[in-house]
Parts: sequence; structure tokens; C-alpha cells
Amino acid sequence: GQQLNQSPQSMFIQEGEDVSMNCTSSSIFNTWLWYKQDPGEGPVLLIALYKAGELTSNGRLTAQFGITRKDSFLNISASIPSDVGIYFCAGRVQGGSYIPTFGRGTSLIVHP
Amino acid sequence: SAVISQKPSRDICQRGTSLTIQCQVDSQVTMMFWYRQQPGQSLTLIATANQGSEATYESGFVIDKFPISRPNLTFSTLTVSNMSPEDSSIYLCSVALIRDSPEGADTQYFGPGTRLTVL
Repeated sequence: GQQLNQSPQSMFIQEGEDVSMNCTSSSIFNTWLWYKQDPGEGPVLLIALYKAGELTSNGRLTAQFGITRKDSFLNISASIPSDVGIYFCAGRVQGGSYIPTFGRGTSLIVHP
Repeated sequence: SAVISQKPSRDICQRGTSLTIQCQVDSQVTMMFWYRQQPGQSLTLIATANQGSEATYESGFVIDKFPISRPNLTFSTLTVSNMSPEDSSIYLCSVALIRDSPEGADTQYFGPGTRLTVL
């Protein structure tokens, strides 16, 4: 099956810094989804991407669907303490089932 | 979008007992799933809950251990049977919304999760 590599595994940053994380796939995806999970909660959808090259923002978050259709990145600008959590990418293979593959997550810690 | 609620939000159970988790969606959805998330891990799909027929289980998960019901398009239950400490996890209900487009664009939403601790 397809593999999804998410990096980095964890990040420790100072408040105000920008953050970048990415996911790469061994297969061509036609959908990329980015989620944030707070401790003890379910994942919350942040951004959905459907076209190669697509760049979408949600407040201080920006995500892009890679041109090769095998990667995506998520940027967070001017981080704040409430950005703390685990960020997951998920992708759905072109022509495959509707069940996406999830990355292993990026744990973000923001120091005030 | 879809709003998903789960009950209970958390529970502490004794070894050998069973717990049924309920999932309610605010709109009719075709595709509903159950995931497990063990501490510090990513999301693992348990099964697809099919309305009116038996659930489709992923490798490593069986109906006797995780029976699932899906009586209609807005509700599903997952039972964790004969529990052991290894079943301590967050159990998540999820739905997929399939958009009609050439790309087959879709999104997937999750419930708040049920945090299960087995002693």
C-alpha cells in the first residue's frame, strides 16, 4: 500500500516563530488533508487540498498541494501558544478508495 | 461539514468487560468509519461501518472483538469486547463527505473521541 512520511516528528519553537512541516507520499494523491489534534480531543480538519499546485490559507495557516502530487506542506506563521498540538496530514490516492492514509503526526510545542 | 458527537467521552473499565461507544452525526452520510489511536500514535482504521450490512474490517481487527452496528445513515456504535489493558486507546468515529466533481474531491471529519482506559 501507499506510504506517507510526515516530518518533522516534533518541533519545539518560541512564540512568534514560523513553522513548516511536510508530508511525502510514495503514490500520487488527489486529495491532501491537514488536521490538528489537541490533547484528549479528536482531529479537527484545518485545510483540504484538491488540485496540484493549490495553495490554501486558513488564518495563519497555509498549505500547498505539491506539483508532483506526492507531497504537501503546512506552514504556520507567527506561532502562538494555542498552536500546540499534533498536526496530521492525510492523503487519498488517485483512483483508490475513499479511505485516506494518515501520516504519523508532527508534535508542536510553542514556548511563550 | 459534519458535526459528530460521541458517547461516552471517556470511561474506565475493568478487564474482561465490554463497552459500547455511540456515534451520532448531524446529517446523513454514506461513509462512516471507526478509528483507534493508541497513546502517542497515529490513527489506525478499525472498520468501515456499512448501513444495513456487516462492517468491513481492516487487517488485524475482527468482528467478535469489535462488533459494529449501523442502523441508519446518522448513527453507529462500536463495541470493544472482552477488554484488556491493551485496548486502552482513544476511539474515534469519522465520516467522509464525497463531493461530486471530476476529481472526486472529499473531506473527512472526526468526532471528539472516546478515551478508554482498561484496568
